[in-house]
Amino acid sequence: AQRVTQPEKLLSVFKGAPVELKCNYSYSGSPELFWYVQYSRQRLQLLLRHISRESIKGFTADLNKGETSFHLKKPFAQEEDSAMYYCALSKTGANSKLTFGKGITLSVRP
Amino acid sequence: DTGVSQNPRHKITKRGQNVTFRCDPISEHNRLYWYRQTLGQGPEFLTYFQNEAQLEKSRLLSDRFSAERPKGSFSTLEIQRTEQGDSAMYLCASSSQGGNTEAFFGQGTRLTVV
Repeated sequence: AQRVTQPEKLLSVFKGAPVELKCNYSYSGSPELFWYVQYSRQRLQLLLRHISRESIKGFTADLNKGETSFHLKKPFAQEEDSAMYYCALSKTGANSKLTFGKGITLSVRP
Repeated sequence: DTGVSQNPRHKITKRGQNVTFRCDPISEHNRLYWYRQTLGQGPEFLTYFQNEAQLEKSRLLSDRFSAERPKGSFSTLEIQRTEQGDSAMYLCASSSQGGNTEAFFGQGTRLTVV
């Protein structure tokens, strides 16, 4: 069975501090990993995916197959980063269903 | 707004009543997904369609739930004989066919069963 674990519910940091949102997964195969973000009163939207290897809004995430992790990182948090973040996975190369973690609230204080 | 559209945004119903939600995907997208999200949880997959064909249903989708996409465009999700446990946010998403394409989400329908 596939599972995504986000061990923390809330992370509160000051502006300019580094951020790491943790995500671990279990999947029998080679999954595709994603981070989705939901800003206040907005819809869920894709932030980044591991196959793109991009930095979006200063965020990066590296897939570590040995540790089955896909942690989201940003060196200097901004107030506008405050949102709900969900880690998710799906089958590689297939446009199929997403399995989400429970999500983490990131609060960036001024 | 040319994104995924869901109606209604909010629905309050009495236990035992039937409710129906509608999702209009992005026009060129042939894949459509329904998810359910309860408080403190991430979205959970319910079902998905490719064009008008319903290709997969989750075990979460009890006999009281039915989804349709009759012409391969909009979709409806009906819940019969609602229970208080059905109270949740129901999310719809759509994507184009092919690998590595992004799923776009609607704003959801919040159902409250009283």
